[in-house]
Amino acid sequence: EVQLVESGGGLAEPGGSLRLSCAASGFTVNNAWMTWVRQAPGKGLEWVGRIRSKSDGGTADHAASLKGRLIISRDDSKKTLYLQMNSLKTEDTGVYYCIAGADRLDYWGHGTLVTVSS
Amino acid sequence: DIQMTQSPSSLSASIGDRVTFTCQASQDVRNYFNWYQQKPGKAPKLLIYDVSNLDTGVPSRFSGSGSGTDFTLTISSLQPEDIGTYYCQQYHHLPYTFGQGTKLEIK
Repeated sequence: EVQLVESGGGLAEPGGSLRLSCAASGFTVNNAWMTWVRQAPGKGLEWVGRIRSKSDGGTADHAASLKGRLIISRDDSKKTLYLQMNSLKTEDTGVYYCIAGADRLDYWGHGTLVTVSS
Repeated sequence: DIQMTQSPSSLSASIGDRVTFTCQASQDVRNYFNWYQQKPGKAPKLLIYDVSNLDTGVPSRFSGSGSGTDFTLTISSLQPEDIGTYYCQQYHHLPYTFGQGTKLEIK
């Protein structure tokens, strides 16, 4: 069974940093492209970015609107996906979902809540 | 960025009704198009991929159609478990973008 378990969310101050993790299991993680999507409270879905499998280059594409503040990486030895969040803004508040898949978002984690507030 | 516009923004229908949602892309996305369902308090779930292909386990009352810039999701006979918000998504050009969602309620 595919499982994606996000962690690392919580309360952070504006200008601060957080690193979200996503532990993946139940599929061949190192072959999978992975995606982060976020959802502000009461709002719709926003694509944050995706990362290729190592065999496809291992590089990431990010939403330009995030201006390099949110960076995706992976550690296949730990079967873990990361989202490094820097220079946090109040508008980064929301639930962050880890997803197995890139074009077709097949499997979603339950999400982790990030609150940016002073 | 490609803008995805869904209509209506909300919809109230009765059990057994035929329900239709639409999504319009600001430019041609060919068939690089998916639908997702999000039930209250839950993560979204893939419903239909590549315009018209039902994901595993999705009931046959759901169907998708369209091409280019105009797409439709239809529920042939609304069931109570279908309440939630439906999102369209294009993956023809980065950044991949979603519609703003259509919230479906039971009348």
